[in-house]
Amino acid sequence: KAGVTQTPRYLIKTRGQQVTLSCSPISGHRSVSWYQQTPGQGLQFLFEYFSETQRNKGNFPGRFSGRQFSNSRSEMNVSTLELGDSALYLCASSFHSDSYEQYFGPGTRLTVT
Amino acid sequence: AQRVTQPEKLLSVFKGAPVELKCNYSYSGSPELFWYVQYSRQRLQLLLRHISRESIKGFTADLNKGETSFHLKKPFAQEEDSAMYYCAFWMDSSYKLIFGSGTRLLVRP
Repeated sequence: KAGVTQTPRYLIKTRGQQVTLSCSPISGHRSVSWYQQTPGQGLQFLFEYFSETQRNKGNFPGRFSGRQFSNSRSEMNVSTLELGDSALYLCASSFHSDSYEQYFGPGTRLTVT
Repeated sequence: AQRVTQPEKLLSVFKGAPVELKCNYSYSGSPELFWYVQYSRQRLQLLLRHISRESIKGFTADLNKGETSFHLKKPFAQEEDSAMYYCAFWMDSSYKLIFGSGTRLLVRP
């Protein structure tokens, strides 16, 4: 099976712009989670979706949003970008609704200038 | 608050030496604990989980509820073990993994 894929892999944006990142889970996986990885804060949970429903959201401002489509693909959006949003954004998918066995994608490296 | 603590940012050992990566957790319930590994330029991947009590690539980890620890151990380190290691636990009913800050393991020849 193909692994979790994320597009784009690299992105450079300017402060104030918005960005949309995409994640395609492993075929058959219905849960998608997003994490932000930075040198200072490590890996922090952003949100989780299952069957198009957001079940949990991390402690991030409302500028961070996401959604999941009927084919389980997911997108996250960050509006009004700030320098501190520069990070590696990781997507992970899992098969079961309560599965902790998460498979991670390679990430999207976002740089905000 | 629920959290995972990895006290060492960097652990440097020589090839063949024993390795112990420390992990302590704070959680009132029964935790599901994991170790994830990220090799250079590779994606984050699950190394092992406490519930399966298996050994992967020679690594083992035992859950000690009394000490609230889940240390990762390997008797003889190999150079290919050099990577970033993250301890994490699954918050049941919250559908999320909580990660520690990670420990970089450097195995020198």
